[in-house]
Amino acid sequence: RKEVEQDPGPFNVPEGATVAFNCTYSNSASQSFFWYRQDCRKEPKLLMSVYSSGNEDGRFTAQLNRASQYISLLIRDSKLSDSATYLCVVNSKAAGNKLTFGGGTRVLVKP
Amino acid sequence: DAMVIQNPRYQVTQFGKPVTLSCSQTLNHNVMYWYQQKSSQAPKLLFHYYDKDFNNEADTPDNFQSRRPNTSFCFLDIRSPGLGDAAMYLCATSRQGNEKLFFGSGTQLSVL
Repeated sequence: RKEVEQDPGPFNVPEGATVAFNCTYSNSASQSFFWYRQDCRKEPKLLMSVYSSGNEDGRFTAQLNRASQYISLLIRDSKLSDSATYLCVVNSKAAGNKLTFGGGTRVLVKP
Repeated sequence: DAMVIQNPRYQVTQFGKPVTLSCSQTLNHNVMYWYQQKSSQAPKLLFHYYDKDFNNEADTPDNFQSRRPNTSFCFLDIRSPGLGDAAMYLCATSRQGNEKLFFGSGTQLSVL
């Protein structure tokens, strides 16, 4: 089992709709969680950190479920510009406390 | 603005010809990372420096080496590039390990 797993998608989303997807992690001792956004042939950019209580940034909401070992990202009122790959990043104590990337979830927002 | 800068943005090299990619940072972060990313795959960590301490990933080929002469600069050396080494190489920094990463814009390496 991979340490950090994501549904690769693509998630085809009508403009204005809501989309949500998860990222599961295998190490219950993980403490740091992030969502990054990556556009084609560009570097990953931090979208948001994920806190235990959940957090929201505009149209984006991140949640952490420690019991089931997953984090989620919800995008409301999707824009065409939200089309990207969303990468989940989790610290891994098993890997010397390094940050481990999931394989990414591709989101395509269509008019 | 404080940032992570990678040069060049695109690099073309010949099969077997050594190549060096560079990264600099103005964030004064302790940790610098090199990732390799191939098309439609997640970034793969090659190695990282925590200050001067070098940490190599177990599956990083010997063909890949790194140098960090000071806090600001870090280099990736590919001694004998093969066709399979064509990829995007991403440099990242973090204040401490386990904290959020700040990425440079990457160097897209082509091997002819």
